[in-house]
Amino acid sequence: GQNIDQPTEMTATEGAIVQINCTYQTSGFNGLFWYQQHAGEAPTFLSYNVLDGLEEKGRFSSFLSRSKGYSYLLLKELQMKDSASYLCAVILSPGQGGKLIFGQGTELSVKP
Amino acid sequence: GAGVSQSPSNKVTEKGKDVELRCDPISGHTALYWYRQSLGQGLEFLIYFQGNSAPDKSGLPSDRFSAERTGGSVSTLTIQRTQQEDSAVYLCASSLLWPPVQYEQYFGPGTRLTVT
Repeated sequence: GQNIDQPTEMTATEGAIVQINCTYQTSGFNGLFWYQQHAGEAPTFLSYNVLDGLEEKGRFSSFLSRSKGYSYLLLKELQMKDSASYLCAVILSPGQGGKLIFGQGTELSVKP
Repeated sequence: GAGVSQSPSNKVTEKGKDVELRCDPISGHTALYWYRQSLGQGLEFLIYFQGNSAPDKSGLPSDRFSAERTGGSVSTLTIQRTQQEDSAVYLCASSLLWPPVQYEQYFGPGTRLTVT
């Protein structure tokens, strides 16, 4: 089966750094995505990793280790507006139907 | 249009009735996806279209669910004989290309379906 694990919720302080981890066990792998979803809104794309290493985009960075089935999303200089759910998703290879499998999401609360 | 649009935004229906949900992707996007998100849950992948073709329909929860896409544009998701467990937000997304090329999915606002 396909399994993606993330912490259910996290709390951090405005201005701080937070790391949200994601581990996956899938029968195929064609890349990993991070999405941000505010309550009542649609998800918005944050990052995509297909090779090992760190991808940096402004205050957000995403890391991937394919051998460990592990990724993390790093948020720097936290702002109140970063309070949201962060979704980790793995896209399976075309031979596996090319499906996008989402984790349950990590609810991040940023406190003043 | 500027983004992915979905209609209706909200739908309340009685158990046993059929419903049809519509998605208008971003113009020129070849790939279109349907997801379901139940309250407090992650996104559940239902089906995707590459052009008008749906290569894999195994994500659809049951044979009461069907989807089609015409003209490489608009897609409809139909749920027959709705059940209470079908209550969820149904999200549609589109992307310019299909993997393995790196792509970005743009999500619509969703249709909130409530089955009473």
